[in-house]
Amino acid sequence: RKEVEQDPGPFNVPEGATVAFNCTYSNSASQSFFWYRQDCRKEPKLLMSVYSSGNEDGRFTAQLNRASQYISLLIRDSKLSDSATYLCAVRGYTGGFKTIFGAGTRLFVKA
Amino acid sequence: GAGVSQSPSNKVTEKGKDVELRCDPISGHTALYWYRQSLGQGLEFLIYFQGNSAPDKSGLPSDRFSAERTGGSVSTLTIQRTQQEDSAVYLCASSLVGSWTGELFFGEGSRLTVL
Repeated sequence: RKEVEQDPGPFNVPEGATVAFNCTYSNSASQSFFWYRQDCRKEPKLLMSVYSSGNEDGRFTAQLNRASQYISLLIRDSKLSDSATYLCAVRGYTGGFKTIFGAGTRLFVKA
Repeated sequence: GAGVSQSPSNKVTEKGKDVELRCDPISGHTALYWYRQSLGQGLEFLIYFQGNSAPDKSGLPSDRFSAERTGGSVSTLTIQRTQQEDSAVYLCASSLVGSWTGELFFGEGSRLTVL
């Protein structure tokens, strides 16, 4: 089983739609959780960290469920510019802080 | 520069040759990571450095892969006797240890093509 698993998609949604991505992780000792965005042929960049109480940044909402080892990202009112790959990342301590990424979920927002 | 710098940005080599990829992290970042991303795939963890030591080498695919970091700064990833399946983008990232956000800052990657 992979340490971090995501549905690869692709998700094809119209502008204005709400879309949700899920991610599960296997290491119950994981400490920090993140969503990164990667545009085509570019490097990943942090979209948002995921906090235990859930957190929101504009149209983006992240949730963490430690009991189920599950992370989610909700995008409301999708824009064309949201088209990208969204990578779930999990950080834990194994003699040092190690961050493992999921394979990513591709999102296409259509006009 | 302000960001993570990687070189070369593109490398085309023949099967069986050795290659070296270089990463210059953000100044002051003591943690450094190497990942590999094949076309259309996610990030595959290769190795992690804390200072000059590598507490986790578990991701290196074979003994043809090695990495070192000197002076707590620049890191080199070496691939010996390259194979076609080594073709990928090799991404380096750095972060502040002790930073509770744990954000990784990535370089633009080195695209390796093995013919």
